[in-house]
Amino acid sequence: TAGITQAPTSQILAAGRSMTLRCTQDMRHNAMYWYRQDLGLGLRLIHYSNTAGTTGKGEVPDGYSVSRANTDDFPLTLASAVPSQTSVYFCASSDNSGGGNEQFFGPGTRLTVL
Amino acid sequence: AQRVTQPEKLLSVFKGAPVELKCNYSYSGSPELFWYVQYSRQRLQLLLRHISRESIKGFTADLNKGETSFHLKKPFAQEEDSAMYYCALSRGAGEYDYKLSFGAGTTVTVRA
Repeated sequence: TAGITQAPTSQILAAGRSMTLRCTQDMRHNAMYWYRQDLGLGLRLIHYSNTAGTTGKGEVPDGYSVSRANTDDFPLTLASAVPSQTSVYFCASSDNSGGGNEQFFGPGTRLTVL
Repeated sequence: AQRVTQPEKLLSVFKGAPVELKCNYSYSGSPELFWYVQYSRQRLQLLLRHISRESIKGFTADLNKGETSFHLKKPFAQEEDSAMYYCALSRGAGEYDYKLSFGAGTTVTVRA
């Protein structure tokens, strides 16, 4: 199985443009998450979804939106990119049905906003 | 609010020397604590969690509720331990809120 895949691997984006980062998991996990990783700040949660059809805001949600139409996909959209959104973005998923919460991470998307 | 602090951004040790990565947290309830690791060119992955009380790759971590700490230790560091390490916290089981709060991370370099 592939686990979690993310696309694209990297992207350079002009400020003001929109972009959707894709995330797909094949583990049938109920919960999914989007983080950004910045040097000196660690991983910060952007948005999350505990189950298909529901989403919630994390620590740094401004400028980002998500949707969870089905179990497998959890796209992250930047409506109008700004340079401060330059970061490495990680998608993760976990199976919380039994109370456990180990998160499994994708390979990341490196985004540069100019 | 929950918060995780890793005071050391960089840690350099010699092969065979002990290594300890510090992690302190603030949370009013009974949290679950984790250590995640990211090796070069690999995905972030779980190293260990406090409820398992196990040793993984020679690493151990003990939850000290009195000191609100969850330090990661290994008595004899190996070169393959060079990586970025993140301490993370989630609320306890039963609260149906499994979001993780991560520390800023510690980059460990083990020198030959």
